[in-house]
Amino acid sequence: EVQLVESGGGLVQPGGSLRLSCAVSGFTFDGYAMHWVRQAPGKGLEWVSGISWNSGGIGYADSVKGRFTISRDNAKNSLYLQMNSLRTEDTAFYFCVRRAVTVVPSSIYFDYWGQGTLVTVSS
Amino acid sequence: QSVLTQPPSVSGAPGQGVTISCTGSSSNIGAGYDVHWYQQLPGTAPKLLIYGNNNRPSGVPDRISGSKSGTSASLAITGLQAEDEADYYCQSFDNSLSGFHVFGTGTKVTVL
Repeated sequence: EVQLVESGGGLVQPGGSLRLSCAVSGFTFDGYAMHWVRQAPGKGLEWVSGISWNSGGIGYADSVKGRFTISRDNAKNSLYLQMNSLRTEDTAFYFCVRRAVTVVPSSIYFDYWGQGTLVTVSS
Repeated sequence: QSVLTQPPSVSGAPGQGVTISCTGSSSNIGAGYDVHWYQQLPGTAPKLLIYGNNNRPSGVPDRISGSKSGTSASLAITGLQAEDEADYYCQSFDNSLSGFHVFGTGTKVTVL
């Protein structure tokens, strides 16, 4: 059974830092690209960042570029998101998601999601 | 800010059908990128509902279907059931300067 379990969320002051972790099991972690997607309370979904299977390809949404850093440790079956210079607008549930393997380059989607961890940025 | 537009809400009586639209542009859906759909039940994480415009993962009933045409896509649910009451999001890829993976604004389906 595929499982993605996020941790590391909590309350942090504006300007502070937080590191999220995602522990995965039930599949061969180094065979998949992984992403973070967030959802502000009561709002829609927003893609945050993604990383290829070997960390050779990394991307960020403009809203977090320069402040967040995605990484992974394939030996530990874990995905991370280092969040610095946090702002109140970063308050959200952060979901760890697996990008599905597809043979069609124009078809990119997410087939498994974790339950999310809540990050609250407030003074 | 979402670049895929969905109606905020749709509703229908049990047994009836609803359709949710997802309108994009020439840098995402219109550029040939596939559209995918997710269902989010209250208090839970999103779940993949439709991938590749019109394909259902195992376990998703065939009363749920997707389609794509031009710069738009649609999700259709027939034979509405109480358990269909949820938020639905479309998703695609955007090749503009600030693009990457983009989600729709989300649609709340209410079963009357």
